[in-house]
Amino acid sequence: DSGVTQTPKHLITATGQRVTLRCSPRSGDLSVYWYQQSLDQGLQFLIQYYNGEERAKGNILERFSAQQFPDLHSELNLSSLELGDSALYFCASSVSGRTGELFFGEGSRLTVL
Amino acid sequence: AQSVAQPEDQVNVAEGNPLTVKCTYSVSGNPYLFWYVQYPNRGLQFLLKYITGDNLVKGSYGFEAEFNKSQTSFHLKKPSALVSDSALYFCAVRDPRRTGANNLFFGTGTRLTVIP
Repeated sequence: DSGVTQTPKHLITATGQRVTLRCSPRSGDLSVYWYQQSLDQGLQFLIQYYNGEERAKGNILERFSAQQFPDLHSELNLSSLELGDSALYFCASSVSGRTGELFFGEGSRLTVL
Repeated sequence: AQSVAQPEDQVNVAEGNPLTVKCTYSVSGNPYLFWYVQYPNRGLQFLLKYITGDNLVKGSYGFEAEFNKSQTSFHLKKPSALVSDSALYFCAVRDPRRTGANNLFFGTGTRLTVIP
């Protein structure tokens, strides 16, 4: 158990809808990362927050947004969903944003029909 | 450009035999290098890292990796493979001179299958 909790584990929705994925980092970790894993594109970095502020942005679509709250949990909002958004979405956390040793949650599997 | 390559999508090895999962990188400066493992329906788990020091790094579950600066490689190894080692393995590299997760690059993964 990595200590990172993600909900929901599975989500099925329709095109055009909006969903919110939630992540609670390990106790004491200030940095939260979101990754998308799909079969054809591997592991893609979406966005990173550190202590409530956006630290780095990767290949995140404009339809997607995220935030980190004062209690350090994070939410990833996906809107106007398309079939191609079907993927595993991972949250990871670390103490700082510097080393690269990340602790991953078990992911939220999103299926868009 | 910074990148990491895992040249093999799939590696098959017999149980009890040594295994190697290859990783090469291209990054300016002295990289931080990592291996992660992903078991089916699970998140990635950290295995080991190289920051500085001894080129041979030992990690979890009996795995080790050798940093070779001249060949810009960081291959993952284990002397004797177990069926339970079957999983997807990711190499990752970071340029320590830059902060932010957009400087942590993951390879495309290598699926290791250990055959009983």
